[in-house]
Amino acid sequence: GAGVSQSPRYKVTKRGQDVALRCDPISGHVSLYWYRQALGQGPEFLTYFNYEAQQDKSGLPNDRFSAERPEGSISTLTIQRTEQRDSAMYRCASSLFARGNEQFFGPGTRLTVL
Amino acid sequence: GIQVEQSPPDLILQEGANSTLRCNFSDSVNNLQWFHQNPWGQLINLFYIPSGTKQNGRLSATTVATERYSLLYISSSQTTDSGVYFCAVEETQGGSEKLVFGKGMKLTVNP
Repeated sequence: GAGVSQSPRYKVTKRGQDVALRCDPISGHVSLYWYRQALGQGPEFLTYFNYEAQQDKSGLPNDRFSAERPEGSISTLTIQRTEQRDSAMYRCASSLFARGNEQFFGPGTRLTVL
Repeated sequence: GIQVEQSPPDLILQEGANSTLRCNFSDSVNNLQWFHQNPWGQLINLFYIPSGTKQNGRLSATTVATERYSLLYISSSQTTDSGVYFCAVEETQGGSEKLVFGKGMKLTVNP
């Protein structure tokens, strides 16, 4: 497949558990972005990487959220000690180069915290 | 940060009708994209259009960067056009390449 892929597509977890969400960008894309979308809202920025370097993490809501992209390809967004307010659609996007380039989104991971 | 406003917030059409969606933004941009979120939640790229005009079938878009707005035209609407349309921009100022999304416009096309 040539598009951005994310796994799992759906995740149901209990409050207090840790979750790891995976994003596999389009091959060769330098930049990778994470967004979170609440029901009825537009996606909101969390963090992004150029290659393996995390460039901006200003959108991460608190220190329970972290992300990594160790080899400059696949990225993992980790949420520790999940809370019900973390329930949302988590979307990953990638772009060929940095500034000003078109971003392509994956199908998202729907996270539900019970 | 940059503000993105979309109008109208909701629209109901009969199949075959035309519509225009507007996106206003508060500062200069490097990137402007239009997306369609279908009823299954997928976010589909419609246009990458920081300036100028593009057409793709029944859809076309125009961005007037100097006046800070973009328009998405849907002609001869079909029921499959239903969903939420988002405008998103990357502002020129500042070091981040993030997209800032509008609140979206929900389109319902009835048969």
